[in-house]
Amino acid sequence: QVQLQQSRPGLVKPSQTLSLTCAISGDSISGNTVAWDWIRQSPSRGLEWLGRTRYRSKWYSEYAVSVKGRITITPDTSKNQISLQLDSVTPEDTAVYYCARDLVYSGAGIDFWGQGTLVTVSS
Amino acid sequence: DIQMTQSPSTLSASVGDRVTITCRAGQSISRGLAWYQQKPGKAPKLLIYQVSRLQSGVPSRFSGSGSGTEFTLTISSLQPDDFATYYCQQYNSFSWTFGQGTKVEI
Repeated sequence: QVQLQQSRPGLVKPSQTLSLTCAISGDSISGNTVAWDWIRQSPSRGLEWLGRTRYRSKWYSEYAVSVKGRITITPDTSKNQISLQLDSVTPEDTAVYYCARDLVYSGAGIDFWGQGTLVTVSS
Repeated sequence: DIQMTQSPSTLSASVGDRVTITCRAGQSISRGLAWYQQKPGKAPKLLIYQVSRLQSGVPSRFSGSGSGTEFTLTISSLQPDDFATYYCQQYNSFSWTFGQGTKVEI
């Protein structure tokens, strides 16, 4: 069974950097038919896909236009985990953040999700 | 980004009812559409992918149809466990987008 365990919730000050990790068990992040996503959810923005990382002979990370320039998604193969870094946060970045396994490139959907991490941006 | 619009936003129904939720895409997305169910405090759960393919373990009362820009999720006979919020998601373009959700309530 695939499981995704996210790091703990936290409070981040405006203009600072949001950092989250997602440890995966039951699957390898280096599989060439899978991608690993970060998605967030807030009352104002709904469900918002932020980006993905995937391995296809080399690592690719791709990002939503809404956060491009502020976001970095990094794989760590030694720990079988992925990380999210979001720079220069504002209160609008307050949301529940999810990591998820994405089988879209195999023709399926996003089938396993982490438990969600509430991140609050406030001074 | 491709905009996804669901209707209705809220749906009141009773156990045993047939329920239909519609999702419209801002442009054609071929068969790149999935449906998710979400309950309060939980992550979304994949129900259907590629418009009509049922995810393993999902009851057969759930079904999906459509093509191009208009899609539907149907619950043939609503059960108590089905009261939740449902989201469509397109994955035809580079960037995935979700609908705003349809809350199915008693």
